[in-house]
Amino acid sequence: SQQGEEDPQALSIQEGENATMNCSYKTSINNLQWYRQNSGRGLVHLILIRSNEREKHSGRLRVTLDTSKKSSSLLITASRAADTASYFCATDNPGSARQLTFGSGTQLTVLP
Amino acid sequence: EAGVTQSPTHLIKTRGQQVTLRCSPISGHTSVYWYQQALGLGLQFLLWYDEGEERNRGNFPPRFSGRQFPNYSSELNVNALELEDSALYLCASSPPQKTGYTFGSGTRLTVV
Repeated sequence: SQQGEEDPQALSIQEGENATMNCSYKTSINNLQWYRQNSGRGLVHLILIRSNEREKHSGRLRVTLDTSKKSSSLLITASRAADTASYFCATDNPGSARQLTFGSGTQLTVLP
Repeated sequence: EAGVTQSPTHLIKTRGQQVTLRCSPISGHTSVYWYQQALGLGLQFLLWYDEGEERNRGNFPPRFSGRQFPNYSSELNVNALELEDSALYLCASSPPQKTGYTFGSGTRLTVV
């Protein structure tokens, strides 16, 4: 079953606005990763946050992790039309033997 | 540096046939992972190979199998194809002892 669940399922914003996507999970994690997928193509690894970290930045991306609430958020600042894609969270769980569990994804559309 | 390469990019097969998908990892990556992304089902873990051995297997029937070669490339074989096997098959690789995968662009399999 899918552990990570993203919210919202779809998000439409104007260029320049910030986009926030949320991910909830059910069991303990080693780390949580965010990926991006353009139009049914391969996934691009965006950022990995470990279970003992609370916040991480990479360029225009900011990821937070709240292990007490079993949730994470991905913030994209100053969005661009090129950010239009599906965004997935994936959890790496103890004992899972490298089996990432992906959420169902958020479809982000950035309007020019 | 070349990324993860998958072949073929698209494939159409008839129900009951067999198919082989191929993946070449990034140089230096010893682990290869296979995921299935079927419409409406999200990304499902199929297989993990490391150093030529199958290390973990997802909840798929035995007609899904694969192998990893001494050069760390990998094949995914699917026998007795069914219509519901139609999906994007994604391969990913990672360095030893690391998560945070690099995905290929995938093979789009259509079973008719």
